[in-house]
Amino acid sequence: KQEVTQIPAALSVPEGENLVLNCSFTDSAIYNLQWFRQDPGKGLTSLLLIQSSQREQTSGRLNASLDKSSGRSTLYIAASQPGDSATYLCAPLGSARQLTFGSGTQLTVLP
Amino acid sequence: DARVTQTPRDKVTEMGQEVTMRCQPILGHNTVFWYRQTMMQGLELLAYFRNRAPLDDSGMPKDRFSAEMPDATLATLKIQPSEPRDSAVYFCASGSGLTGHTEAFFGQGTRLTVV
Repeated sequence: KQEVTQIPAALSVPEGENLVLNCSFTDSAIYNLQWFRQDPGKGLTSLLLIQSSQREQTSGRLNASLDKSSGRSTLYIAASQPGDSATYLCAPLGSARQLTFGSGTQLTVLP
Repeated sequence: DARVTQTPRDKVTEMGQEVTMRCQPILGHNTVFWYRQTMMQGLELLAYFRNRAPLDDSGMPKDRFSAEMPDATLATLKIQPSEPRDSAVYFCASGSGLTGHTEAFFGQGTRLTVV
């Protein structure tokens, strides 16, 4: 059974900092991995999809990397802004075509 | 603007009552997930459909929960009878095939409170 761990659980940084969110998973037989953002009381917004054959995917100030063999993904946020404050969730798509979620990293960017 | 639509957005009900949550997946998507989110457990998979057929509902309490897809444009999750421990946010997500290069899209959720 896939298990997903996200570190840190919470992070508070001043505006402008570059930061890294970590995600590890136990079963490396995945099709892809998605990073989501969740604002309080809202649904999940897909940020990036990185396929199992890819090592990196970029969208604006976001960059996700994937090391499938070691079961790790990182989400890099450049020049953080207060609007980036949210919970970030990673979810690998496993061999059973199911998304398994970590507990998330709650990010606060201070003005 | 394609999106997954869930109704109702909020539901407060008394213990023992039947609750039905509805989801309209994005047109053309053939895969539908139901997830439940609580502070304690995070996001848990309840059921998973492909081409309207249930592929996995092992995460769902069978005695009180049921999930169906009457047609390709509607997925339902029913709880009967509801209990206070069912209070959570229920999310529906849809995707197209869900291979390596396709992603899942989530609805805004149904916040259920059972009193």
